[in-house]
Amino acid sequence: AQTVTQSQPEMSVQEAETVTLSCTYDTSENNYYLFWYKQPPSRQMILVIRQEAYKQQNATENRFSVNFQKAAKSFSLKISDSQLGDTAMYFCAFMKHGGGGADGLTFGKGTHLIIQP
Amino acid sequence: NAGVTQTPKFRILKIGQSMTLQCAQDMNHNYMYWYRQDPGMGLKLIYYSVGAGITDKGEVPNGYNVSRSTTEDFPLRLELAAPSQTSVYFCAIGRTGVEQYFGPGTRLTVT
Repeated sequence: AQTVTQSQPEMSVQEAETVTLSCTYDTSENNYYLFWYKQPPSRQMILVIRQEAYKQQNATENRFSVNFQKAAKSFSLKISDSQLGDTAMYFCAFMKHGGGGADGLTFGKGTHLIIQP
Repeated sequence: NAGVTQTPKFRILKIGQSMTLQCAQDMNHNYMYWYRQDPGMGLKLIYYSVGAGITDKGEVPNGYNVSRSTTEDFPLRLELAAPSQTSVYFCAIGRTGVEQYFGPGTRLTVT
C-alpha cells in the first residue's frame, strides 16, 4: 500500500509571492502518477497538475509547476505570482500505473493555502 | 464539473435509515469512482467501476453498495446509516483511468 504525506497543514503568503507546497510519498511501485488537486471553499475538487513517474521533466501548467524527485519520493508544488483565487486546500495524490485507475487515488491530508491581499 | 452531477447536495439521515446517493455523467467515460472525505482529511476510495456491469471495492467499502447498470449512472447505496458515515461524498469519472474529474459532492450527516 502507498501513503502520501503533506507535512504543512496550513501556509499563508502575500499576493504575488511564490509559494511551495510539500508532498512526500511511500511506495514500492516503479511506475505511477502523481497529482495535485485544489479544493476551494466551494468544495469542488479541481485537478491542477499531473506528473508521470517515468518522465524526468517536471510538469508545468501556467503558474503551477512541480519539483519531482523520484529517488527522494518527493513531489512539491510551486505556485508563482500567487493570486487571491489560489486560496484553497491543496491535496497531493498518488495512483499506481497499469491498473487502469482501478485502485483509485490515494490522497494526503491536504495543505490549507491562504493568499493574503 | 466535467459533466458530473450529484444529488442531493445535502442530506440529514437518522441512524439506521437508508439512502441512495446519485451520480450521473454525460461524458461517456468508462471509469467512475466514489470517494468520501472526512473532516480534515483527504479523500478515500469507497467503490469504483471500470464499465457498465463491473464494480469493485476500494479502501473503505463497508456499509456501502454500488451498482452500474449503465455507463451514465453510478449510484451509491447506504444501508443502516451510522454516525461514522457522516462525511462528504464525491463521485468522480475518468476516460482513461488516470485523470479523474470530480462532481460537486454530497454532504451527508447521520444523527
